[in-house]
Order: sequence, then structure tokens, then C-alpha cells
Amino acid sequence: DAGITQSPRYKITETGRQVTLMCHQTWSHSYMFWYRQDLGHGLRLIYYSAAADITDKGEVPDGYVVSRSKTENFPLTLESATRSQTSVYFCASRLGLRDQETQYFGPGTRLLVL
Amino acid sequence: EDQVTQSPEALRLQEGESSSLNCSYTVSGLRGLFWYRQDPGKGPEFLFTLYSAGEEKEKERLKATLTKKESFLHITAPKPEDSATYLCAVQSNSGYALNFGKGTSLLVTP
Repeated sequence: DAGITQSPRYKITETGRQVTLMCHQTWSHSYMFWYRQDLGHGLRLIYYSAAADITDKGEVPDGYVVSRSKTENFPLTLESATRSQTSVYFCASRLGLRDQETQYFGPGTRLLVL
Repeated sequence: EDQVTQSPEALRLQEGESSSLNCSYTVSGLRGLFWYRQDPGKGPEFLFTLYSAGEEKEKERLKATLTKKESFLHITAPKPEDSATYLCAVQSNSGYALNFGKGTSLLVTP
């Protein structure tokens, strides 16, 4: 049972480059989420998706783009990376049922923008 | 606006020394309160979900409790392997996102 996986696990890029972070889950969960974790801020929601082709903004969406053509995949794209996007990115997923609210997290992608 | 405050920021215990971590929250209608454990370099690992005041859940040396304003994570007779950052998060009735606190970093020494 692979659960939720993220790739790459580590990425170094330069300012202005486009970067795509991948997230894949094997549970057939309806909901998927992208968070970033920074010192002093904790985990903050970037985007989420309730189902294939349904996405919505979170707390810090600027500079990011998401898509969800398949239920199991939820890629996050930084269209033109900035130094402020250096962070650890976590993908999460959960079932779409009432009282099944728990989100399960992937191992994270550590991104450094030079 | 939902707010989650965890205290203390850091806690050092000796092995076997029981203690509690606090999570105070304000939310416009609580759908759920969640506790996670995070080890360095890893993603948050789910521990407990609490849905209503008075609810309690236990797992090994950990016990989570919930009131209308706060949650406690009680650690009984901790071991060094319990060292980690413990995260608290709330979900309101009006959304899908988890609103996280900044965490409590726990160190248990032999």
C-alpha cells in the first residue's frame, strides 16, 4: 500500500524557472491538498481539490497553479519560481465522507530557489 | 478567523516524566480537531481526530482530550522515541482546510 507519494523529494532551481511538484495517492481519496511549511508559520494551505477538475485556492495561492485531471494525481506548478517560494511542500489527501475528515500527508518535497 | 495556538513551543522531559501539551483554538463551528506527530525531515503523521467536547482518544502513551476552547495531548511515561514535533490543527464547518498551530517540539532524554 503505497499511500501518498511526492516527487521529487528534493529540488534546487533558479529564480524565474518553472517547477512542477508531483503528488500521487493510491487510496482513491476525493480530496487532495497542497501545503507549505515554513519556520515561524507552520503549515499553510496553498490549493485544494474536491475531485477531478475541481480546484480552489487556499490561504497562500499566489504564484502557484494546480490541475487535477485524474483523481490520483495533483501536481503543483510554480510558474516562475521566486526565492520566497523556498519551502517544504506537503501534499495531503482525505476521503470525501462526513466524519472522515482526517488528512493524510506525504513525505514532502524540499524546494530551494536560488 | 480561525486561530490555533500551541504551548509550550518546546518541552524537554526526562524519560518517564509525564506532561501535557496544550492547543487553544478559536473557530467558527468546529468540524474536527486533529493531532499529528512530525519527525525531522518527514511529513506529519496522523495521531487523533476529535469531533466534540468531552471526547477522548488514546494510543499507547498518548491521550488526547477536547473541550470547547482547547485540546490537550497527555504523554504518560514518555520514552526517547516520543521525541518529535506535535502539531494541532482545526477544521471549521465552513471549509476543507486544516488550520495548523506552530507545533510543540518535544525532547525526551534518557
